[in-house]
Amino acid sequence: QVQLVQSGAEVKKPGASVKVSCKASGYTFSSFDIIWVRQATGQGLELVAWMNPDSGDTGYAQRFQGRVTLTKNTSISTAYMELHSLRSDDTAVYFCARNEGPREGFDPWGQGTLVTVAS
Amino acid sequence: DIQMTQSPSSLSASVGDRVTITCRASQSISSYLTWYQHKSGKAPKLLIYSASTLQSGVPSRFSGSGSGTDFTLTINSLQPEDFATYYCQQSVSTAYTFGQGTKLEI
Repeated sequence: QVQLVQSGAEVKKPGASVKVSCKASGYTFSSFDIIWVRQATGQGLELVAWMNPDSGDTGYAQRFQGRVTLTKNTSISTAYMELHSLRSDDTAVYFCARNEGPREGFDPWGQGTLVTVAS
Repeated sequence: DIQMTQSPSSLSASVGDRVTITCRASQSISSYLTWYQHKSGKAPKLLIYSASTLQSGVPSRFSGSGSGTDFTLTINSLQPEDFATYYCQQSVSTAYTFGQGTKLEI
């Protein structure tokens, strides 16, 4: 079945970087965009960035421009999101999801990765 | 960026009730509108896409309608497992903006 499995929880200090992985299985990795969404404590869902694994094209939410790096390793069907210059308000659960298409929504989702930023 | 505004922000209801959540876009998004259900500690679940198409496996008590700027999610005959937070999201632009969420409580 189609599945996205994310890496485990991370604890980082302010100013550090964190890299979260998202391993896809059950479909052709390069055929669908990967979306990154986060939910900070007590907040709603927020787009972080997206990547087309085929072309390498990326897009970023304005507030994360310059602080997020998206990469991929097609040979192992894995996408990565690296967030730099971490602040305490970056503490959140980060999800990856497959973009089914322009009208079809995001499905499935990874299980989420808790990133805690604390000194 | 396109702004998505949901109302209400929270809603109290009982098992068996019918509830409606609305979502308004700051500009026309045609039918590029998706609804998700999110329970704490779990991944969001896609309920409805293209404003009104039920995702496979989602119970038929969920329905969506609307186009342009105004959309609704209706849940008929609420079940205990439906108490969660619901989000709308636009996909006409790659900003993929979410609404702020509607928390459905018992």
